Amino acid sequence: QQPVQSPQAVILREGEDAVINCSSSKALYSVHWYRQKHGEAPVFLMILLKGGEQKGHDKISASFNEKKQQSSLYLTASQLSYSGTYFCGTEVDRGSTLGRLYFGRGTQLTVWP
Amino acid sequence: GAGVSQSPSNKVTEKGKDVELRCDPISGHTALYWYRQSLGQGLEFLIYFQGNSAPDKSGLPSDRFSAERTGGSVSTLTIQRTQQEDSAVYLCASSSSLAGGLQTQYFGPGTRLLVL
Repeated sequence: QQPVQSPQAVILREGEDAVINCSSSKALYSVHWYRQKHGEAPVFLMILLKGGEQKGHDKISASFNEKKQQSSLYLTASQLSYSGTYFCGTEVDRGSTLGRLYFGRGTQLTVWP
Repeated sequence: GAGVSQSPSNKVTEKGKDVELRCDPISGHTALYWYRQSLGQGLEFLIYFQGNSAPDKSGLPSDRFSAERTGGSVSTLTIQRTQQEDSAVYLCASSSSLAGGLQTQYFGPGTRLLVL
């Protein structure tokens, strides 16, 4: 039930855009995005609920396509501070596994000046 | 407290020894998770506590791993007879459990375990 993230790694120049995808083979209730900098704990970015919702946070936004069981994270005009590994966590259902997330392997994003 | 805390921050042990890792969740959070992250890898689910329900232990890699949560708050992850492949960062996370709410998980800084 682990979601698949793509690409595995991205290298950008400051100001460039990037898209990170997260796909699941299971119907999803929600998708959670986290960023982890080297040597630090993952930090929560945003949650998306089923329904094709799109959310934004500064120049980072995300969408969730329920029909495709897919979420995408959009990083616009990237900054040096965006560097890190991005993880998506998927919540499959709200039954006995309430709250449990299945995390992808991560996408390593490097932004160069 | 302000966030999830874990102790120790670093632990070096010899193969075959037992270790205990501690997690203090955010006050009021009833859900607590343990993950393992090997170097350069993703987050491997280990175990999940939700209130007074039986824990979901489906991610524990072997019977050398166990965890408990006392009083619905602090949790201890115990690894018995440690092996070199147990070396990793062990992360704890907690979340609130509002009915129908979104379970944002907040992570602690982790314990870096090195088994020699």
